[in-house]
Amino acid sequence: GAVVSQHPSWVICKSGTSVKIECRSLDFQATTMFWYRQFPKQSLMLMATSNEGSKATYEQGVEKDKFLINHASLTLSTLTVTSAHPEDSSFYICSARDLGQGPFFGQGTRLTVV
Amino acid sequence: AQRVTQPEKLLSVFKGAPVELKCNYSYSGSPELFWYVQYSRQRLQLLLRHISRESIKGFTADLNKGETSFHLKKPFAQEEDSAMYYCALSGGGGSEKLVFGKGTKLTVNP
Repeated sequence: GAVVSQHPSWVICKSGTSVKIECRSLDFQATTMFWYRQFPKQSLMLMATSNEGSKATYEQGVEKDKFLINHASLTLSTLTVTSAHPEDSSFYICSARDLGQGPFFGQGTRLTVV
Repeated sequence: AQRVTQPEKLLSVFKGAPVELKCNYSYSGSPELFWYVQYSRQRLQLLLRHISRESIKGFTADLNKGETSFHLKKPFAQEEDSAMYYCALSGGGGSEKLVFGKGTKLTVNP
C-alpha cells in the first residue's frame, strides 16, 4: 500500500510554545489529508479535513485557531498546535487518500506538553 | 450524519474458534465501509474495504445495507490476530472524511 509518513514521531514541548507536525504522502499525491487525535485506549477522533490549496474544514468543537492546518502541496500537510497546553498532549495521526486506494495512515506523533 | 457503532469493546476467543467483530453504521447516502487493524505499538493498517470484496489474512466482511452492518469475520482465529480493530465509514468519493467506531480489542487465547 501507499506510504504516509509523519514527522516527528514524538515531541516534547513547553507549555505556551507551538509545535508543528508534518504529514507526507511518499509515493502518491493526496488532494485530501485528514488529521485525527487519539487518546489512550480510545478511538480516533477526526479533527479536520485538509484540502490542498484551500482552507481546512474543522470538526465541531475543534479550535481552528489553536490547531492550524496547512496543505501547501499534494504531498504535504502540516498541523501546528499553537500555544500548547498540557491538555493538548495526545497522539496525533494523519491519513491521506489516493483515489481508489486507502485511506492510509501515518505512524502518528506523540505530543507531550510539559 | 455519519456514525459507526462497534458494540463490543472487548472480545476474547480461543485459537481456532470463529470470530465475528460487529459493526453497525448510520449514513443517509451510499457509504464506503472499511476495517482497520492496529497491532500493539504499530500504525493503523487497512484490512478491508467493502468495495474490493477481498479476503485479507482470512478475514472477510460483507456490507448488509438492510441491517446497516459490516461485520468482520474469520472462521479460525489465530493468536497473531490479537489487536484493536476499527470499523470506519466514509461518505464516498476521494475526499470524504473517514469516521471511526470506538474499536474492539480482540484477544485470541492459545
